[in-house]
Amino acid sequence: DAGVIQSPRHEVTEMGQEVTLRCKPISGHNSLFWYRQTMMRGLELLIYFNNNVPIDDSGMPEDRFSAKMPNASFSTLKIQPSEPRDSAVYFCASSLAEGPTNEKLFFGSGTQLSVL
Amino acid sequence: AQTVTQSQPEMSVQEAETVTLSCTYDTSESDYYLFWYKQPPSRQMILVIRQEAYKQQNATENRFSVNFQKAAKSFSLKISDSQLGDAAMYFCAYRSASRGSNYKLTFGKGTLLTVNP
Repeated sequence: DAGVIQSPRHEVTEMGQEVTLRCKPISGHNSLFWYRQTMMRGLELLIYFNNNVPIDDSGMPEDRFSAKMPNASFSTLKIQPSEPRDSAVYFCASSLAEGPTNEKLFFGSGTQLSVL
Repeated sequence: AQTVTQSQPEMSVQEAETVTLSCTYDTSESDYYLFWYKQPPSRQMILVIRQEAYKQQNATENRFSVNFQKAAKSFSLKISDSQLGDAAMYFCAYRSASRGSNYKLTFGKGTLLTVNP
């Protein structure tokens, strides 16, 4: 398995533009997470999907952020409009949540977003 | 809310020596899971080791072991026979075992480990 695949690896955009980050989880996994990593705040959970349904989006910073999971093999995180303070590394992770003792979280390589 | 604290922003170790990274956490729960993740310059987050709070025995994975002190809410990582490839940022993380937790991981701010040849 290729692991969790994120694209693009790097994204540079101008303030006000729409940004879409993409994630392909590991085949067969039923849980998907979006995390954001910054120097100031570390790793923060933005949103969590289980069986393609958003379960917890309390970490989404504001209405400019939205996430979708139209099927089990694809998810997007969209920022519209983007702002310089959104600059960060965005990670997608997936797991097979058979139960609390069996979960292991697999991370993608992240998308480095720079908003100028 | 749970918090995870890593008090050492940076650590260094000589190759082949042993180093211990510290982690403390705050929780009112009795059942939970603790993890150490490694993030090399490639940015990939890699699970190093995991500990279930209800197990008294400390987890080990080859050269990596933990010292889990539940009463003190401490979870340190020991790396023995350090190798150059161990150089990375290390994150301690907490997850509740409660079914209402939605498997959310709470991370510490990380410790940057340098391995000197």
